[in-house]
Amino acid sequence: GDSVTQMEGPVTLSEEAFLTINCTYTATGYPSLFWYVQYPGEGLQLLLKATKADDKGSNKGFEATYRKETTSFHLEKGSVQVSDSAVYFCALTPSGGYNKLIFGAGTRLAVHP
Amino acid sequence: GAGVSQSPSNKVTEKGKDVELRCDPISGHTALYWYRQSLGQGLEFLIYFQGNSAPDKSGLPSDRFSAERTGGSVSTLTIQRTQQEDSAVYLCASSSNGERYTEAFFGQGTRLTVV
Repeated sequence: GDSVTQMEGPVTLSEEAFLTINCTYTATGYPSLFWYVQYPGEGLQLLLKATKADDKGSNKGFEATYRKETTSFHLEKGSVQVSDSAVYFCALTPSGGYNKLIFGAGTRLAVHP
Repeated sequence: GAGVSQSPSNKVTEKGKDVELRCDPISGHTALYWYRQSLGQGLEFLIYFQGNSAPDKSGLPSDRFSAERTGGSVSTLTIQRTQQEDSAVYLCASSSNGERYTEAFFGQGTRLTVV
């Protein structure tokens, strides 16, 4: 079945460092791809998405590009802030299906001043 | 407007008791989902409601779990004869429709502890 694999955390960075969180997926056809974020004490919220190959999703300085050839959707940010500390979840919704999210295990990011 | 609301926020119950968890979706959202977040299993899909269609119950882990959605709005997830492995955070989400590229809005969850 469809699945998502993302790098294990925690990831610890200093403020203004470059961030990459790797995400790869296994799915048939063309799934839609998402990054959700869970800030401390808050609910999951959508960070960005991409619905077809080569699409780039972006929001709040974060970016991810839908790479069909490598089945990847890596999350990047050029300069992280302390306020970016959170748990990040890569997810997909299967091709031909409805909005049933399949999540990766989550990656905890801690940014220090 | 209000987001997805879940109650209670925390629930401690004794093994073997039944529990009910409530979800109020965003008004007008036709699609509603339940997920479970646990240390060992990550985020798992449980059940999906879309309008008046039959729900997709394929993620429910056992027949002790059931859910209903009344009037196309409020949903209740019921766990009968709770077990310690049911301890988790139960998340509800809603979206404006069931299309697979549509943003899902999540509640803050109900943390269930079975002792």
